[in-house]
Amino acid sequence: GENVEQHPSTLSVQEGDSAVIKCTYSDSASNYFPWYKQELGKGPQLIIDIRSNVGEKKDQRIAVTLNKTAKHFSLHITETQPEDSAVYFCAASNNNNDMRFGAGTRLTVKP
Amino acid sequence: GAGVSQTPSNKVTEKGKYVELRCDPISGHTALYWYRQSLGQGPEFLIYFQGTGAADDSGLPNDRFFAVRPEGSVSTLKIQRTERGDSAVYLCASSLSGGAAGYTFGSGTRLTVV
Repeated sequence: GENVEQHPSTLSVQEGDSAVIKCTYSDSASNYFPWYKQELGKGPQLIIDIRSNVGEKKDQRIAVTLNKTAKHFSLHITETQPEDSAVYFCAASNNNNDMRFGAGTRLTVKP
Repeated sequence: GAGVSQTPSNKVTEKGKYVELRCDPISGHTALYWYRQSLGQGPEFLIYFQGTGAADDSGLPNDRFFAVRPEGSVSTLKIQRTERGDSAVYLCASSLSGGAAGYTFGSGTRLTVV
């Protein structure tokens, strides 16, 4: 089955700096790669996703890149703000309703 | 409803007891998923419903875990003979018609077995 690894487990940046979180996956059949943000006491919330036919996608300060050959994808947050502090999860799915998540990255943005 | 609602938000139970966790999906969403999230980990898939039927229950860890969705809307996750290792946050998600895209998660039920 699919195995998703996520790095780093914790990340601390200064407000205004960029943050990058990386994930690798094992199943070459995976074709959908979402990123979720989870705040304390809440469920994960989708922030951006990418499908396997696209190499990069951007939404304001957030971007995701995908390298299917290397089986890795990354989340990039630019101009970080304190409210970006949360736990971020990557996930991978072959659209069969079984989504595998990474272990999460706790991002802290220091004002 | 406007979002996925899970009740209770917190549940403390004694080892060996039976618990039920409820999920009320977004109105009209035919697909419903249960995940379990242990401390410091990502969500782990448990079971997926399409309508009333369990289309994939391969993530249920053992036969103490069972879930139902009798009318294709509200779902109940049932855990028998609870063990301390069952302590986790149980998350429910729904999507309009299935497929990994379009998940909306609830806030979860934090289960603590003492």
